[in-house]
Amino acid sequence: DAMVIQNPRYQVTQFGKPVTLSCSQTLNHNVMYWYQQKSSQAPKLLFHYYDKDFNNEADTPDNFQSRRPNTSFCFLDIRSPGLGDAAMYLCATSKGSGRRAWELFFGSGTQLSVL
Amino acid sequence: KQEVTQIPAALSVPEGENLVLNCSFTDSAIYNLQWFRQDPGKGLTSLLLIQSSQREQTSGRLNASLDKSSGRSTLYIAASQPGDSATYLCAVMKDTGFQKLVFGTGTRLLVSP
Repeated sequence: DAMVIQNPRYQVTQFGKPVTLSCSQTLNHNVMYWYQQKSSQAPKLLFHYYDKDFNNEADTPDNFQSRRPNTSFCFLDIRSPGLGDAAMYLCATSKGSGRRAWELFFGSGTQLSVL
Repeated sequence: KQEVTQIPAALSVPEGENLVLNCSFTDSAIYNLQWFRQDPGKGLTSLLLIQSSQREQTSGRLNASLDKSSGRSTLYIAASQPGDSATYLCAVMKDTGFQKLVFGTGTRLLVSP
C-alpha cells in the first residue's frame, strides 16, 4: 500500500544533542510537511516542501531545519533540542495538484523525548 | 487569523449510540475541510475530505457536513462502537495563498461496551 512512513517510532535524545527524524513516502506526492504536536494540543505546522521549494512558517524556531534530498524522503533536524521540544512530530504529504490536491496523508509520527 | 474550535473537548457514550461532533471556524473563506482520527500516541488517519463547494461527504457509518457561511462542520457517527474510541480532529484549509491546514484541538471520544 502507498503510504507515509516515519522512523523511528520513538526517539530519545539528550538536551542539546542534535537529532534527525526521517519520513519517506511512496505516494509520489509533491508536497511534504512537518508538524509538531504537543500533548493535548493541535498539530502545528513547522514547514513544508513543494517539490524542492522550502517554506518555513514564520514562528518556527531556527533550531528546526529540514532537508528533502529527493521526492520520497524528507528529514527534520533539531540542532540543539531543548526540553520544550519534546513532542510528537508528524510528517504529511499531499499531491499539490489535480483532484483532491490538498488532501493530507499523515505518517504514524515520531514521539521525541528529551532528557 | 483562522481559528478552529471543537466542542465538546471530550465525550463518553455507550455503544450503539449515534453521535455528533462539532467543529467551528472563524474565517469562512476556506478551500476544504478535513476530518481526522488520532489514536493515542499515533499519527492522524484521514476520515473525510469536504471541498468548499460540497455540503457533505459520507464514508460507511461516518457523515460529515459543511456549512461555510456559518463556519460550521459536523461529523456524525452512526451506531458507535468501542473501536471508534479516539480523538477526532477537524482541520480547515484557507482558499488563498498556500493551502495550509489549521487544526482544532480535537474531541476525545470514548465508546464503552
